[in-house]
Amino acid sequence: NAGVTQTPKFQVLKTGQSMTLQCAQDMNHNSMYWYRQDPGMGLRLIYYSASEGTTDKGEVPNGYNVSRLNKREFSLRLESAAPSQTSVYFCASSEISPGGGSPLHFGNGTRLTVT
Amino acid sequence: SQKIEQNSEALNIQEGKTATLTCNYTNYSPAYLQWYRQDPGRGPVFLLLIRENEKEKRKERLKVTFDTTLKQSLFHITASQPADSATYLCAPRSYYGNNRLAFGKGNQVVVIP
Repeated sequence: NAGVTQTPKFQVLKTGQSMTLQCAQDMNHNSMYWYRQDPGMGLRLIYYSASEGTTDKGEVPNGYNVSRLNKREFSLRLESAAPSQTSVYFCASSEISPGGGSPLHFGNGTRLTVT
Repeated sequence: SQKIEQNSEALNIQEGKTATLTCNYTNYSPAYLQWYRQDPGRGPVFLLLIRENEKEKRKERLKVTFDTTLKQSLFHITASQPADSATYLCAPRSYYGNNRLAFGKGNQVVVIP
């Protein structure tokens, strides 16, 4: 039982390149989330998917797209990377919404540097 | 808009003492609040959930209080141990919806043996 798995763990991109961050969970959770964490800023929600087939914008969606491929997988795409997207990206999942008392389970992050 | 505040200064505490962290929120009243622990290079790990109708919640050496009048949650680690050294994140329900949490910046705790 691996929980939430993120790939890759590290990535360096040049400005303008694109890439997709992958996330998969094996807990049969309904909701999945993408956060970014920057020094002094805390975790900020980029996009989330409350259930399979739905996605919604979070606080900082600009420059990103997401795909809820199936119940297990939720990917984050950077179409044209910018230095401001240098960050640590965390994927999380929860059984139901946090409002229902469901905690978030996080992966160990992807460390992305855009030069 | 919502604002979640945690002390940015690290808390250095002697082993065996009680560590107390504060989480203040403004401009709204979340119905619940969660606390997470984060170790360097790792994702956050859920510790406790407390709802607005609960004044206090305990789990082993951890205790959380939720004062909706003061708009504040306190997080206590009793009989602290070096293994408790980590960053602790406060996460109330987001102002923007029930499906979302709003995270504070975190408060680092260093337990000195």
